[in-house]
Amino acid sequence: LAKTTQPISMDSYEGQEVNITCSHNNIATNDYITWYQQFPSQGPRFIIQGYKTKVTNEVASLFIPADRKSSTLSLPRVSLSDTAVYYCLVGDMNRDDKIIFGKGTRLHILP
Amino acid sequence: DTGVSQDPRHKITKRGQNVTFRCDPISEHNRLYWYRQTLGQGPEFLTYFQNEAQLEKSRLLSDRFSAERPKGSFSTLEIQRTEQGDSAMYLCASSLIAERVAKNIQYFGAGTRLSVL
Repeated sequence: LAKTTQPISMDSYEGQEVNITCSHNNIATNDYITWYQQFPSQGPRFIIQGYKTKVTNEVASLFIPADRKSSTLSLPRVSLSDTAVYYCLVGDMNRDDKIIFGKGTRLHILP
Repeated sequence: DTGVSQDPRHKITKRGQNVTFRCDPISEHNRLYWYRQTLGQGPEFLTYFQNEAQLEKSRLLSDRFSAERPKGSFSTLEIQRTEQGDSAMYLCASSLIAERVAKNIQYFGAGTRLSVL
């Protein structure tokens, strides 16, 4: 499983677009990039997953440059309810048997 | 609600007592995972099952910990002779691993918070 580095914390304001970048220099050919969100006293929740270029769903977008050594989770027009910890994970989801979580990024949305 | 349920949500026990937690995964999921999470940290992998077979155990899982998944459905995690250091959130997750399912996306329950006094 590739090691990831992401900011420990970020602050933003309601209505803003938030971008959280994750570095994964040792990403392997078969690795996917997955983001989870966790609210206090709840389990992590899957947000989005991608391999290359751009992926978008109803919650977020994931931008992955051609070298795949980093990725950016983009949350459009955040609200107070987006305050949570966001985890970036990299691994071969077809083979890896477990998820290795780092400390994640604590996103705090201000009114 | 992800469809993964854990019981109880909270457990307070005295040091030295045994505790057991239950996890009911999403019904068609063949993989079931247990994680432990302490304050300010990400979840740490403990063990996982594919159907009823326990395929991997973390070195974090001491001899006092045991997990079962009889009949490949629900799972239980038992901690014997609890210690204060066992206080944490215990998370269960499930996923479907199949030939035509490309990605191992895990769905987590809300967890059981254990406090050992």
